[in-house]
Parts: sequence; structure tokens; C-alpha cells
Amino acid sequence: QSVLTQPPSVSGAPGQRVTISCTGSSSNIGAGYDVHWYQQLPGTAPKLLIYGNNNRPSGVPDRFSGSKSGTSASLAISGLQAEDEADYYCQSYDSSLGGSLVFGTGTEVTVL
Amino acid sequence: QITLKESGPTLVKPTQTLTLTCTFSGLSVTTNAVGVGWIRQPPGKALEWLALIYWDDDKRYSPSLKSRLTITKDTSKNQVVLTMTNMDPVDTATYYCAHRRPDSSGTYFDYWGQGTLVTVSS
Repeated sequence: QSVLTQPPSVSGAPGQRVTISCTGSSSNIGAGYDVHWYQQLPGTAPKLLIYGNNNRPSGVPDRFSGSKSGTSASLAISGLQAEDEADYYCQSYDSSLGGSLVFGTGTEVTVL
Repeated sequence: QITLKESGPTLVKPTQTLTLTCTFSGLSVTTNAVGVGWIRQPPGKALEWLALIYWDDDKRYSPSLKSRLTITKDTSKNQVVLTMTNMDPVDTATYYCAHRRPDSSGTYFDYWGQGTLVTVSS
């Protein structure tokens, strides 16, 4: 029942660029709330990848970038590598129903 | 270095109350704007935010689960505790606790525990 919709899967060959969309509404992304992204490698806890729409924590390669426009946000991975194979989640805040943190539906990235 | 670790039962029966403890180090829940949250993930499914407690004891809950959740903190023990009442098999999930970074860019989690799998079954 997530209010942030992501494509179930995206794939690309090594070296290619892939993008993952995160579609929200006027009560979350469209209301100006920041979007954050997490990477979850198989069998591990999520790891913060992007915060505040387009900021990378220390140690995150600059191959990862984020953007936001209107009611949507995107995560781009350039120079795709085998180690990028993981699930990716967007996260924001939703002001409806009294306010709530919300995660996206998740996207599985496959490196061909 | 901030570390968090979840602990609690791995198996609970339907209708029982689940109590999970998050024990952390390298952070203080009395520091301005710091928070500790709980997030869960059913097997093969997406992340779901449950609750968050701030340094000033402000508490926020998922609207859909608010009636079943209670989050508290014990500053002296460096722990945050989550209780969830009336457990059901659909509550089977890996439960994570995570550190809310004090930042003007909204609320997000920069450090996560390893997670603990809780199965609800009779």
C-alpha cells in the first residue's frame, strides 16, 4: 500500500546507465518533501545511498545521483557494475493521514 | 562509529504482544534532533516504516499501525524499545532499527541495525 511507486525491476549491461523512478503525489514529493534513496544488497540491511534528493553520504560513489521534479524523483546509476545488483528504495514524508514516513515499492536492479 | 542491534523473540504466537529492543552505541538520544526509528520488511516485500522516537521524547507512528505500537527509550541503557500488540501472521517480517540523522533535509536513516526476523505462527 505504498504511496511511492517504483518500477519492479530495471536492468542494464555493465557500464550502462540506468534510472529508477519514484512517483508520488501532492501530499509527499509534490509537497516539497525531500526524497532519500537506499540500496539493499541481498540478505543485508538497507544502506543510505542518497539523502536530500541529490546528496551522497561519504563513501558512496559519484556514479549514483538523485534528482527530483514535481511529484517524482529519480535515481541514476551510471557506469553500472556487477556490485550494483541490489534492491533500491526511495523514501519521503507524506502529510496525509496525520503525517508518515513512506518508502517506495522497491526496484530490483539486474546487471546483465 | 554508530552501531545498532535489534533483539527479541524470533517466534511469537498470533494475538501475542511483540517486544523488540534496539541497543545502540556511538550516538546519544539526548542530542538535538537525533531519533531512532523502526522499519520492517516482510519476506520478499518492501520496507515499511513503523515508528520513530526523537531526542525530546516526541513519538511518531505509522497511521495504519498506530493503535498497536508503542515506542519508548531508555537513555541510561542506550536502548529503544518497540512493542506491537495483537500480532498476526501478516506481521512476519525482518524488523530493523535505524538512526535518524539530524539534518535539515528531512527525516532519513543513515545507520541501520542488521535486522531481526520475527515469525508469527501458532
